[in-house]
Amino acid sequence: QQQVKQSPQSLIVQKGGISIINCAYENTAFDYFPWYQQFPGKGPALLIAIRPDVSEKKEGRFTISFNKSAKQFSLHIMDSQPGDSATYFCAASYLGFQKLVFGTGTRLLVSP
Amino acid sequence: SAVISQKPSRDICQRGTSLTIQCQVDSQVTMMFWYRQQPGQSLTLIATANQGSEATYESGFVIDKFPISRPNLTFSTLTVSNMSPEDSSIYLCSVSTNEKLFFGSGTQLSVL
Repeated sequence: QQQVKQSPQSLIVQKGGISIINCAYENTAFDYFPWYQQFPGKGPALLIAIRPDVSEKKEGRFTISFNKSAKQFSLHIMDSQPGDSATYFCAASYLGFQKLVFGTGTRLLVSP
Repeated sequence: SAVISQKPSRDICQRGTSLTIQCQVDSQVTMMFWYRQQPGQSLTLIATANQGSEATYESGFVIDKFPISRPNLTFSTLTVSNMSPEDSSIYLCSVSTNEKLFFGSGTQLSVL
């Protein structure tokens, strides 16, 4: 119930393409869904987050799509760039923003 | 956002020894968190460090193995005690502010 399942494990996208990473959860008490970006040797950095009262949130080239009935949410990276190559983690929390449960991560490689 | 400094950034330690990791934040925060990221894996919450009270540990983590100090609102330490090779991981300090969770760059620990 506390797990967040993330797929794919790795992803290769051509420059300019759309990267899509999916996550699914079971615990309907989760009320906060952030995405984190992590570069090698660095800590995760908050990218974008959504609450279950909206179905989509967009910030620049990054969009979260949220499907409450299916208990799924996804990250879309439009016009993917080589600088987007990193590991992406979805997460979920039911105690506000503090106790996060992380997905297993997706390693994204954007080829030039 | 919060600026989080962690020391050391990496260390190689011998089996049976202990290592103390320091986390300094540039502003006062109520709650600080310690996460572990095993090689190629996701992030797992070790404990929540509250100023003025004992840390709260997650299932599978105990105070004797991971003692935590929180002497003030800008500083915390995590000690990894009696280390074994299984403790080789990245240890991350994080803080919550403005309803967001921020991470330090982490401490990469290798135990021989």
